[in-house]
Amino acid sequence: GENVEQHPSTLSVQEGDSAVIKCTYSDSASNYFPWYKQELGKRPQLIIDIRSNVGEKKDQRIAVTLNKTAKHFSLHITETQPEDSAVYFCAASVYNFNKFYFGSGTKLNVKP
Amino acid sequence: DGGITQSPKYLFRKEGQNVTLSCEQNLNHDAMYWYRQDPGQGLRLIYYSQIVNDFQKGDIAEGYSVSREKKESFPLTVTSAQKNPTAFYLCASSIVDLRGQRNQPQHFGDGTRLSIL
Repeated sequence: GENVEQHPSTLSVQEGDSAVIKCTYSDSASNYFPWYKQELGKRPQLIIDIRSNVGEKKDQRIAVTLNKTAKHFSLHITETQPEDSAVYFCAASVYNFNKFYFGSGTKLNVKP
Repeated sequence: DGGITQSPKYLFRKEGQNVTLSCEQNLNHDAMYWYRQDPGQGLRLIYYSQIVNDFQKGDIAEGYSVSREKKESFPLTVTSAQKNPTAFYLCASSIVDLRGQRNQPQHFGDGTRLSIL
């Protein structure tokens, strides 16, 4: 099955700096890659996603890049704010199975 | 997402007891999922269902059981065979996009925190 690895496990940045979280996957058939943000004690919420026919996607301060050849994808957050502090999860899935494989999470701390 | 309701929010299990976690959705989603989340770890799939009256085991199904008698409901039973049930349990649902043949994002409930008495 698919194996998704996520790094770093914790990330601390100063407010206004950029943050980058990286994930690798093992199954070349994976074609959909969502990112979720989970605040303490709350449900994960989708923040951005990318499909395998696209190399990059942006939504305001958030962007995701995908390198299919290297089988890795990254989340980029620019101009970080304290409210960006949360745990971020990447995931990968293959169509027709409707199964999602999640990374182990990155705890982002944005210091004011 | 107000469309997925998990209950109860907190649950305590006694030794040898089975407990059932409720998950209801009004999003008209075909697929539903149960995940277990342990502190500092990612989400691990317990069971999932793509259609009523059908479900498949995930990566950590031992000690758990599910049913999918209605599209909107996917209850999870934590049996006494699950020796380490203390965790945060998340239910999710998603559209099954047969026309576009593309996976769609999952929507999560607020979770149930299960502890041992």
